[in-house]
Amino acid sequence: QQPVQSPQAVILREGEDAVINCSSSKALYSVHWYRQKHGEAPVFLMILLKGGEQKGHDKISASFNEKKQQSSLYLTASQLSYSGTYFCGTANTGGFKTIFGAGTRLFVKA
Amino acid sequence: EAQVTQNPRYLITVTGKKLTVTCSQNMNHEYMSWYRQDPGLGLRQIYYSMNVEVTDKGDVPEGYKVSRKEKRNFPLILESPSPNQTSLYFCASSWSGRLYEQYFGPGTRLTVT
Repeated sequence: QQPVQSPQAVILREGEDAVINCSSSKALYSVHWYRQKHGEAPVFLMILLKGGEQKGHDKISASFNEKKQQSSLYLTASQLSYSGTYFCGTANTGGFKTIFGAGTRLFVKA
Repeated sequence: EAQVTQNPRYLITVTGKKLTVTCSQNMNHEYMSWYRQDPGLGLRQIYYSMNVEVTDKGDVPEGYKVSRKEKRNFPLILESPSPNQTSLYFCASSWSGRLYEQYFGPGTRLTVT
């Protein structure tokens, strides 16, 4: 079952913060985040494997709460280069099948 | 340069005409996968392969075939394309030890009329 991402879209001014959420009705064993810029392929950002784990990638960080079956991506002091569509992905029980959310479109304007 | 390549990048075809989209990676990755991307639906997995001669269905395998005869190649075959297979297709690969850190190819935009 596809994880649910919210919001579907967000518009920011440079320097503002944003949070993108990813939740699942099924138990999550891991969550991975990708960013896809317009007209390009998705690019891996990070993976979270443990409950409550947080990770960072430049000024982008994420948390994973396996009890709540959700993950959040935090974009701090957004830059124009952050614009794109962000996808969260989860794995099935066996771990080989990947299921992505529908994506969150982020637009950062000057 | 480490990369995943796909060919062709753009293809317009007619209903029922068999086609193959090739995918090749030069990183010696064990895991390879095909996705289709449609507006509002995100990336949906079609098929994946854990290694040579090992393939399995993703979420939307109907109408597609794959084969993995060599480690570096993972072609996607549409035996009888239909208009609902018009989409943007991505191939991806990763090491088995870092399964979810997938490297994506540039994409193939397919239009079936």
